[in-house]
Amino acid sequence: AAGVIQSPRHLIKEKRETATLKCYPIPRHDTVYWYQQGPGQDPQFLISFYEKMQSDKGSIPDRFSAQQFSDYHSELNMSSLELGDSALYFCASSSPGQGKGYTFGSGTRLTVV
Amino acid sequence: AQSVTQLGSHVSVSEGALVLLRCNYSSSVPPYLFWYVQYPNQGLQLLLKYTTGATLVKGINGFEAEFKKSETSFHLTKPSAHMSDAAEYFCAVSEGSGGGADGLTFGKGTHLIIQP
Repeated sequence: AAGVIQSPRHLIKEKRETATLKCYPIPRHDTVYWYQQGPGQDPQFLISFYEKMQSDKGSIPDRFSAQQFSDYHSELNMSSLELGDSALYFCASSSPGQGKGYTFGSGTRLTVV
Repeated sequence: AQSVTQLGSHVSVSEGALVLLRCNYSSSVPPYLFWYVQYPNQGLQLLLKYTTGATLVKGINGFEAEFKKSETSFHLTKPSAHMSDAAEYFCAVSEGSGGGADGLTFGKGTHLIIQP
C-alpha cells in the first residue's frame, strides 16, 4: 500500500540557510500534518492543513512556513536555520473518517551545521 | 489544553513476560487516544487507537490498551514480550470531539528493552 512520502530523507544545511521539506500524502488523503522531533524528544506538532487551508497551528517558529498544494502535497519552508532546528521532521496524512489515527512518513532528518 | 504523561522513560522486561507501558492523560474534552511505536531512525507506526465505543482496544502485534476514564489512563499491554518489541513507544492524545485537523500531543516516550 502507498505510504506517506517525504523528501529528502536527509538534509544538511548551514546556519542561516533555508530548507524546503516535501511531503506527499497517501492518495485521497486530504489532510497533512507536520511534526518536529528533536534528538531523544517526543514529536512536537507544528502545523496542519485540510483541503489546502491551514487548519491547526502548534509550536511552529515564525521562521517556518508551510502550505498545501492543489495535489495535496505539502512543503515546509524553513528560513534562517539555527543549530536547534536539527531534528527529524515528520509528515503525516489522514482522510475523512479515519478518526485521527493518521499515517506518518519516515521523516526527513535535517542537520544544521 | 491536553497533556500526556508516560511513567517510566525506560522499561525492561524479559522475553515472554508481560509488557505494561503506562500512560495517563489530561483533556478538557473527551479524548482520542493513541499508541505509536518508533524503531530507530524510522517513522511512527500506529499500534492502536481509542475514539469511542469499546474501551478495550486491540492493536497490531498483539498489543492492546484499555481506556479508563475514571483513572484518565490508557495503559498499553502485551501478554508475552518478543525481542522484536524493543522500540520507543509514544502515547498521544487528541481532542476527540473537535473538528478540523488538530495535532496530537505526545508523551515523552517509553523505551522498551527486552531481555533475552
